[in-house]
Amino acid sequence: KQEVTQIPAALSVPEGENLVLNCSFTDSAIYNLQWFRQDPGKGLTSLLLIQSSQREQTSGRLNASLDKSSGRSTLYIAASQPGDSATYLCAVTTNAGKSTFGDGTTLTVKP
Amino acid sequence: DAMVIQNPRYQVTQFGKPVTLSCSQTLNHNVMYWYQQKSSQAPKLLFHYYDKDFNNEADTPDNFQSRRPNTSFCFLDIRSPGLGDAAMYLCATSTTGRVWTNTEAFFGQGTRLTVV
Repeated sequence: KQEVTQIPAALSVPEGENLVLNCSFTDSAIYNLQWFRQDPGKGLTSLLLIQSSQREQTSGRLNASLDKSSGRSTLYIAASQPGDSATYLCAVTTNAGKSTFGDGTTLTVKP
Repeated sequence: DAMVIQNPRYQVTQFGKPVTLSCSQTLNHNVMYWYQQKSSQAPKLLFHYYDKDFNNEADTPDNFQSRRPNTSFCFLDIRSPGLGDAAMYLCATSTTGRVWTNTEAFFGQGTRLTVV
């Protein structure tokens, strides 16, 4: 059974800092990994999708990496802003389209 | 422009009174999912439709049912809500063939269900 872990559960940084969020998974037989952002009381917004054959994806200040062999992914946020404050979730998709989510990392960026 | 729309955003229902949550999509995606998310927890997949094929998760309670009358709409029916069913319910869609390599999931804004 796939297990997804995100560490830390919460992170607080001053504005302007670069930061890394971590996601680890136990079963490396994945089809893809997706990073989401969730604001309080809202749905999930897709940030980046990394296919199993890819090593990284970039979108603006965000960079996500994938190392299947070690069961790890990171989300790098450059020059953080208060508007980046949210919960970040990673989800891995394995067979039959089943996605398993981590519990998320709640990020607070202080002005 | 919202592509996955959930109605209502907030739903209050009485203990034991059946309730239906709605999801619609403008993406023409063949796969639709329902997730349950409790506070500070990961979304938990309840079931999904691959076209008209219904796929129930093994640990989804019988109290939860779903209908997909057409490509655009999917409903979550809770037959007898209990206090433990209070949660955020998220609908998602994706488009894929039988190989799920580049499946990107798109989520709605969720329906927060309160049971009183």
